[in-house]
Amino acid sequence: AQSVTQLGSHVSVSEGALVLLRCNYSSSVPPYLFWYVQYPNQGLQLLLKYTSAATLVKGINGFEAEFKKSETSFHLTKPSAHMSDAAEYFCAVSKNYGGSQGNLIFGKGTKLSVKP
Amino acid sequence: DAGVTQSPTHLIKTRGQQVTLRCSPKSGHDTVSWYQQALGQGPQFIFQYYEEEERQRGNFPDRFSGHQFPNYSSELNVNALLLGDSALYLCASSFGEGQYFGPGTRLLVL
Repeated sequence: AQSVTQLGSHVSVSEGALVLLRCNYSSSVPPYLFWYVQYPNQGLQLLLKYTSAATLVKGINGFEAEFKKSETSFHLTKPSAHMSDAAEYFCAVSKNYGGSQGNLIFGKGTKLSVKP
Repeated sequence: DAGVTQSPTHLIKTRGQQVTLRCSPKSGHDTVSWYQQALGQGPQFIFQYYEEEERQRGNFPDRFSGHQFPNYSSELNVNALLLGDSALYLCASSFGEGQYFGPGTRLLVL
């Protein structure tokens, strides 16, 4: 069975500081891994995805994540936080299902606050 | 290109009623998945439709059913509504890798 654990339900950083959101996964097969962002009262927006190509994945808005198989981790980082990054972030895992993506299993989310 | 669209945006129902939510996928996408997101939680997978068939199903009771039409749009039906069904219902479409989400339908059951 697949699962995702996000460490820290709430992370607070100062504007311009490094953002690090942690995600560990469990999967019996090579996983697909994703980070999504959700702004208040909106749906989820795909930030980036890992699908067994390069282990360092670059996404939108300056975010990137590194797949580390030995640590079963897929942490999300951004060198310099902006006020507009304040949102909730979800890590998700899925497996290949007949050439397309199977269902997503989400973590509980990490709410990012950015202080001026 | 219009992304994934969902209707209605908000809905209020009473216990025991039935509800139908609608989703139009992103252009070129043939697979539609539905998720339930309770307040303060991550989304939970309900089911996925491909070629008008339910391909996968999560741990939801039979009160939750769906349909996919030839144009790939989809409906989620929930019968005999319970207070616990109050949530944001998200539709996601995909073609291969990467699911793209709509804005959701917020359902309140009183």
